[in-house]
Amino acid sequence: AQSVTQLDSQVPVFEEAPVELRCNYSSSVSVYLFWYVQYPNQGLQLLLKYLSGSTLVESINGFEAEFNKSQTSFHLRKPSVHISDTAEYFCAVNGGNTGFQKLVFGTGTRLLVSP
Amino acid sequence: DAGVIQSPRHEVTEMGQEVTLRCKPISGHDYLFWYRQTMMRGLELLIYFNNNVPIDDSGMPEDRFSAKMPNASFSTLKIQPSEPRDSAVYFCASRADRVNGYTFGSGTRLTVV
Repeated sequence: AQSVTQLDSQVPVFEEAPVELRCNYSSSVSVYLFWYVQYPNQGLQLLLKYLSGSTLVESINGFEAEFNKSQTSFHLRKPSVHISDTAEYFCAVNGGNTGFQKLVFGTGTRLLVSP
Repeated sequence: DAGVIQSPRHEVTEMGQEVTLRCKPISGHDYLFWYRQTMMRGLELLIYFNNNVPIDDSGMPEDRFSAKMPNASFSTLKIQPSEPRDSAVYFCASRADRVNGYTFGSGTRLTVV
């Protein structure tokens, strides 16, 4: 079955430093890839997605993710984080050998930004 | 659009009582998903519907859990009887098509004492 691995459960970082949150998926066939963000006491919100085309996708608040087919990765990056970026980030995939009906989520990475 | 609406936001109940969680998906979304989130297990898919029909309920933990979708604008998740280990945040999400991912509700925080 399709699976998503987020290698880091927690990433502490100082404000204005760069950050990378790692995500790897298992399928070798066509997939759609998503990053969701969950702020404290809220639901998950879509941050960005890769469907096809350019392998680099960007969000409106400065995050970007790059689809790397050969490494089956979709890592999330931001060159300079803010305190307000503190949240939990989930990588998700659909497609591959489990079809496109449901998303498979990773276990999440908690980003902790300190001053 | 008001988004996916869940009620109640918080529920505290005693062990053994019946609990009903409610969800109104976004109009026009034909997929609806129920998730449970805990510190220990993370985000777990419980069940999902397509056009009001349950497609996969393999994530439902046991017979105490049941879900219905009587029409396109309403779904319920029921736990009877509830147990302390059911304490979690329950999310509902809906989806229109494969390219737009899910839209999540704000969740129901359930505490069973």
